[in-house]
Parts: sequence; structure tokens; C-alpha cells
Amino acid sequence: NAGVTQTPKFQVLKTGQSMTLQCAQDMNHNSMYWYRQDPGMGLRLIYYSASEGTTDKGEVPNGYNVSRLNKREFSLRLESAAPSQTSVYFCASSPTFRREGYFGPGTRLTVT
Amino acid sequence: GIQVEQSPPDLILQEGANSTLRCNFSDSVNNLQWFHQNPWGQLINLFYIPSGTKQNGRLSATTVATERYSLLYISSSQTTDSGVYFCAVMYSGGGADGLTFGKGTHLIIQP
Repeated sequence: NAGVTQTPKFQVLKTGQSMTLQCAQDMNHNSMYWYRQDPGMGLRLIYYSASEGTTDKGEVPNGYNVSRLNKREFSLRLESAAPSQTSVYFCASSPTFRREGYFGPGTRLTVT
Repeated sequence: GIQVEQSPPDLILQEGANSTLRCNFSDSVNNLQWFHQNPWGQLINLFYIPSGTKQNGRLSATTVATERYSLLYISSSQTTDSGVYFCAVMYSGGGADGLTFGKGTHLIIQP
């Protein structure tokens, strides 16, 4: 039981490049989330998927898109990376609507 | 949106000391969690505690939802307790289905 896994662990992009962050969970959870953490800050919600087939915007969605591929997988895409998107990205899942969240190890992204 | 304030922002203690971390929130919640972010950046679930009291070894937590605060107690601190402790809540009145985090308490335990 690996919990929540994220790939890659580290990534460096140039401004304007695109990439997709992958997230998978093996806990049969219904809800999945993407957060970003900037230095000295708590995490902020980017997008979430309350259940398979649905996605919704969180607090800071601009510049991102998401896909809930199936119940296990939830990806985050940066179409045209900007330096302001330099951050650590965390994926999380929870069993049902508004229950406790379990977090992946994070992806450290630098945009130059 | 809901506001979450944590105090103190920084705390330096000697090994063996006890500490109390506080989380105040501005509205009613149906989810409150405490996390420990270790020096490697990993977020570790400590408690899911929207109300009441829970204990897990040297750690315990109490949430008084009617008064909109939660407390995390760490007893007999060890150097491995160092890191950032986050409180995160979910507003019960609807809106985005995600956690709102405080800015954290940075705890340093010195040997």
C-alpha cells in the first residue's frame, strides 16, 4: 500500500514550457486534490475532484488544468509555465467528501 | 473565505520540554486536521479532529468547535519533533471541497 504517489519529484522548466504532474492513490479514495506550497506559507488549493468524473477550481487555479483520469489518478498540467509557478506541489486524497486528507511526497518545480 | 491563524509562528525549546500550539479559525468547520511537515518536506497526518479530544502517544489535540479554536500538545519533546506544524480546516458552509491551511508553527527542538 503506497498511499499517494507523485511523479516527478523534481523538475526544472524554462518559461513557456509545458508539463504534467502525475498523482496516483491506491486507497480507493473518492476525492483528490492539488495544492501548492510557497516558501513560508501553508498550502493553497489549486483544483480538486470530489469524485471520479468531476473537477472544480480551488483558491489559485489560474495557469493550471487538471484531469481526473480514473478513480486512482489525478494529473495537473501547466500549459505555459511562468516563474510565479515555482513552488512545491502536493497531491492529496480523501476517502469521501470532506474527510481527512492524505498527502503525497510533493513535486518541487522550478521555472526559470 | 475562512481564515486560519496559528500561534506562535516560531518556537524554540529544549529536548524534554512541553509545548502547546494554537489554531484559531474564523467560521464553523466540519474538518480540522493537524499536520507535521518534517525537514524533508513530507506532510504527516497527526490528527483529524473537527471536535473533541484525541491522544496519540506524546501528542494530543483538542478542538472546541463552538469557540473556533484547536490546540496541539506535544509532551516530552524530542529532536525528531522539529519541523513545521500546520492546522488545516474545511468550512462547513459549502464552497471548495479542500482544506484551508494556516501559515504554520515552526518548532525547533534543541538537544
